[in-house]
Amino acid sequence: AQSVAQPEDQVNVAEGNPLTVKCTYSVSGNPYLFWYVQYPNRGLQFLLKYITGDNLVKGSYGFEAEFNKSQTSFHLKKPSALVSDSALYFCAVRDRNSGNTPLVFGKGTRLSVIA
Amino acid sequence: DADVTQTPRNRITKTGKRIMLECSQTKGHDRMYWYRQDPGLGLRLIYYSFDVKDINKGEISDGYSVSRQAQAKFSLSLESAIPNQTALYFCATSYRAGDSYNEQFFGPGTRLTVL
Repeated sequence: AQSVAQPEDQVNVAEGNPLTVKCTYSVSGNPYLFWYVQYPNRGLQFLLKYITGDNLVKGSYGFEAEFNKSQTSFHLKKPSALVSDSALYFCAVRDRNSGNTPLVFGKGTRLSVIA
Repeated sequence: DADVTQTPRNRITKTGKRIMLECSQTKGHDRMYWYRQDPGLGLRLIYYSFDVKDINKGEISDGYSVSRQAQAKFSLSLESAIPNQTALYFCATSYRAGDSYNEQFFGPGTRLTVL
């Protein structure tokens, strides 16, 4: 079975400070990992993904995420938060060896960046 | 993402009514998905289809049915709507490229209210 956990429902950060949104996963093999963002009244937008290779993945809007196999984590980070980063963030996982099964999404973390 | 469209965008209906939500895509993707989003529960997969002749149940398929009329169209039906099907519904698409797994592209969502 594959699963993903986002341990924080809400993250608050001051504008200009670094932000981290946490994600841990569970798969039997190696994972494909994704981050998505949802702005109010919009669908989900793809931010970045880890497939293989370099553990540090860079994505859209200055976001990056680090794959840590030993800690089974894929935390989303940004060096300097903007008010416009305030949104709902979803982590998703798929076991590389799970055939054609779709992504499994976390429950989401709401990020609030305060001016 | 404008390449994935959903109709209607908002719908209010009554208990027992039959409802159809439609999804169309111009991305040329072979894979399509239906999710529902509820506060605190994240995204849950209802049905998915990897090509026109392939339909698979997701995590919460009870009370729902789907039809893949063409590669570009995937509709979701609620045969007899009930209030706990009130939610935000998303359609998504993706494509397979070799052995990798590509990100999903989401439509803008349909807000369904069942009274």
